[in-house]
Amino acid sequence: AQSVTQLGSHVSVSEGALVLLRCNYSSSVPPYLFWYVQYPNQGLQLLLKYTSAATLVKGINGFEAEFKKSETSFHLTKPSAHMSDAAEYFCAVRVDSGYSTLTFGKGTMLLVSP
Amino acid sequence: DSGVTQTPKHLITATGQRVTLRCSPRSGDLSVYWYQQSLDQGLQFLIHYYNGEERAKGNILERFSAQQFPDLHSELNLSSLELGDSALYFCASSPREAANYGYTFGSGTRLTVV
Repeated sequence: AQSVTQLGSHVSVSEGALVLLRCNYSSSVPPYLFWYVQYPNQGLQLLLKYTSAATLVKGINGFEAEFKKSETSFHLTKPSAHMSDAAEYFCAVRVDSGYSTLTFGKGTMLLVSP
Repeated sequence: DSGVTQTPKHLITATGQRVTLRCSPRSGDLSVYWYQQSLDQGLQFLIHYYNGEERAKGNILERFSAQQFPDLHSELNLSSLELGDSALYFCASSPREAANYGYTFGSGTRLTVV
């Protein structure tokens, strides 16, 4: 069954520093992978998605993620963190076992300090 | 505004009671998904409807039920409520049956059972 694992429940960076949020997936079929962001008291917003086209995917707010099949990874990066990036980030994979839904990781809280 | 509307935003009720959460999908979307988000369990998939028909069930308790109406809005009914049912309940929608391109989430209903 498809699943994702997010490494680190909390990541702290300074403003202007590189953001790296890790996600590893498990899938027996070519995966569809997603990153979502959740700001406090809000729903989840799609940041970017990988659907077997280009391996480097660019999303909103300057985020990007690279699909690496050999490492079964789909890590999220941003060159320079802003205070407004502080939020919880979720990696997700499309489940493909008779039906089609998304299963989410446990989430990583990104903390940005001045 | 994501286009997915959930009502009410907040709900406080007593144990043993029954509540109904409502979701209107984004215009043109035929699929509705319900998720429960809690601190200990993370985001858990409950149920998926496509164009009025149930397509998949996840970790949904027997005390919970849902339906999607001809106008495509959906309702999640929670009965015999327990303290442990306190959580954020999200509705999401997508254009087709398959979740290949991700979902659009509503802002959620926060349920507090006292």
